[in-house]
Amino acid sequence: EAQVTQNPRYLITVTGKKLTVTCSQNMNHEYMSWYRQDPGLGLRQIYYSMNVEVTDKGDVPEGYKVSRKEKRNFPLILESPSPNQTSLYFCASRRLAGGGTDTQYFGPGTRLTVL
Amino acid sequence: AQSVTQLDSQVPVFEEAPVELRCNYSSSVSVYLFWYVQYPNQGLQLLLKYLSGSTLVKGINGFEAEFNKSQTSFHLRKPSVHISDTAEYFCAVSAGGSDTGRRALTFGSGTRLQVQP
Repeated sequence: EAQVTQNPRYLITVTGKKLTVTCSQNMNHEYMSWYRQDPGLGLRQIYYSMNVEVTDKGDVPEGYKVSRKEKRNFPLILESPSPNQTSLYFCASRRLAGGGTDTQYFGPGTRLTVL
Repeated sequence: AQSVTQLDSQVPVFEEAPVELRCNYSSSVSVYLFWYVQYPNQGLQLLLKYLSGSTLVKGINGFEAEFNKSQTSFHLRKPSVHISDTAEYFCAVSAGGSDTGRRALTFGSGTRLQVQP
């Protein structure tokens, strides 16, 4: 089954404690992306990657890092989380060749609370 | 840069009634338009998309949307809703960039459809 998986699904942490949210896809997609969803703001892109070792900033990258060492994995790293990073996070992937026409496939989401 | 406006944050409707969820976009270049649905505690899944051609697009679960270039709109419609349609609906646009691989999705703020018995 084609899918995007994220772990953990729920996480409560404290300010300043480094954390990583993992994302993995089994569709051999080149393009992967992280979004955060906040009430009234929809989804905003944090970072994206067009292939292994190729990453770039989205609209709200401050306070986040990513890496793309393998095609299937795209972890999101919060080096020093702060309460304003409390949000619902989604990982997504799609083929690169289709450009903007291709469907993005989303993971189930990770709800992060930073105290 | 592109933007998407979903004018209604919540739309309550009775079961079997018709519904329209509104979406307007702005972009200086040609666009691709999408509607995604998010059921409670789940990720987003694609309902339908407009790439080119016929302006009336049919999607899953009986939904359809009409692309109107002159009004820069892409409203979502369903003639008769079910309780199971209760979800949040997001309109999104993909536009711009000479490198089409870079095309990012810009999402609206979402519309919560509440279907009541």
